[in-house]
Amino acid sequence: GAVVSQHPSRVICKSGTSVKIECRSLDFQATTMFWYRQFPKQSLMLMATSNEGSKATYEQGVEKDKFLINHASLTLSTLTVTSAHPEDSSFYICSASLVLGPYEQYFGPGTRLTVT
Amino acid sequence: AQTVTQSQPEMSVQEAETVTLSCTYDTSENNYYLFWYKQPPSRQMILVIRQEAYKQQNATENRFSVNFQKAAKSFSLKISDSQLGDTAMYFCAFNAGSGGSYIPTFGRGTSLIVHP
Repeated sequence: GAVVSQHPSRVICKSGTSVKIECRSLDFQATTMFWYRQFPKQSLMLMATSNEGSKATYEQGVEKDKFLINHASLTLSTLTVTSAHPEDSSFYICSASLVLGPYEQYFGPGTRLTVT
Repeated sequence: AQTVTQSQPEMSVQEAETVTLSCTYDTSENNYYLFWYKQPPSRQMILVIRQEAYKQQNATENRFSVNFQKAAKSFSLKISDSQLGDTAMYFCAFNAGSGGSYIPTFGRGTSLIVHP
């Protein structure tokens, strides 16, 4: 099946610094990738939809200048949390889908971000 | 806009027994896809089963099957012969088909615990 990797799996950073999370589709081309944030024991909160070669579409309430998303190729999307604060600490998950259908999501293993 | 409702925050079942997780949705789309995803304690999201709305036959994957009632907009997941490894969060998800939004909508999840 389709495999999506995510790196790093865990990261601790100091408040005010930036952190980059990579999401790669390893064995397929992903025209569209999604970035989610998940709080403990809650559902996935969609942050943005990332399309290769174009600007990401952010969900309402998500600061695009804080959460920079780049989808430079059909196999790589990155999320950069800029000027991180403790409230940005969370579990971030990426997923990719084959837009031609049936639109099932292939998820990365997630990244645990802790901002101190 | 689509909505997905999972009315059971938590469920438990004895090993080897059968359990059914409920999911209802609301949409004006006629062509769409429904999914159940599993998120075990490792937090890696895994696709459990998929149902195309145009198919009347309920999807099955080994011990997992769905009861898809299109008129009632219901999509329940039945897990037979429950195993300890089935302990996880289960998310019901919706995707519109071609011509609709391909952005997935997730339910809030049901936490399933399988007891030995």
